[in-house]
Amino acid sequence: GAVVSQHPSRVICKSGTSVKIECRSLDFQATTMFWYRQFPKQSLMLMATSNEGSKATYEQGVEKDKFLINHASLTLSTLTVTSAHPEDSSFYICSAIRSGGASPGRLYEQYFGPGTRLTVT
Amino acid sequence: DAKTTQPTSMDCAEGRAANLPCNHSTISGNEYVYWYRQIHSQGPQYIIHGLKNNETNEMASLIITEDRKSSTLILPHATLRDTAVYYCIVRVATMYGNKLVFGAGTILRVKS
Repeated sequence: GAVVSQHPSRVICKSGTSVKIECRSLDFQATTMFWYRQFPKQSLMLMATSNEGSKATYEQGVEKDKFLINHASLTLSTLTVTSAHPEDSSFYICSAIRSGGASPGRLYEQYFGPGTRLTVT
Repeated sequence: DAKTTQPTSMDCAEGRAANLPCNHSTISGNEYVYWYRQIHSQGPQYIIHGLKNNETNEMASLIITEDRKSSTLILPHATLRDTAVYYCIVRVATMYGNKLVFGAGTILRVKS
């Protein structure tokens, strides 16, 4: 159990266009999801925390008007990269928290999606 | 959350045990040690976690020193598919402040 999917897995778009990436928890409900970005040969960087039914919380330096996050249901969060530019090309990964884990420390454990490779030309 | 320090990279022969160290000297009493790994172009995968006792599951063992200032992840019989970046993360296991801060991790290369 605890599967998180992302769609699309890869996307190529032209500079200036917008791209939407979906993150779904397939077999559990997630009130909180996270969005990360990873550039080549670098570690994951947290972009924002997505809370169901409320506004996302963005990390310092992440433009909230450029990276729009919507968490409209307990199983779906979307990240829209608006007016994409080549420097936005990256690997975008989401994770979802499932509450009520089986053992101490697994409570509120994060499960990661497979990632979405965005290339802006 | 306490900061962790890991070696940049390690090599391991296929079939041998891979021992990945992590220093977390500023860990506090209620912080757990988590290990994740990321295989190239995939999302991170949970491996194991622990508080102060050693832990073992189907993937790995986690050895935490008595003072909890360091730990070692052990993959008992490494295979080529274990080649990945391994992240050691220390954090409190609560609903609030559940952000995971990923460091650079250790690149483990398993060679035949």
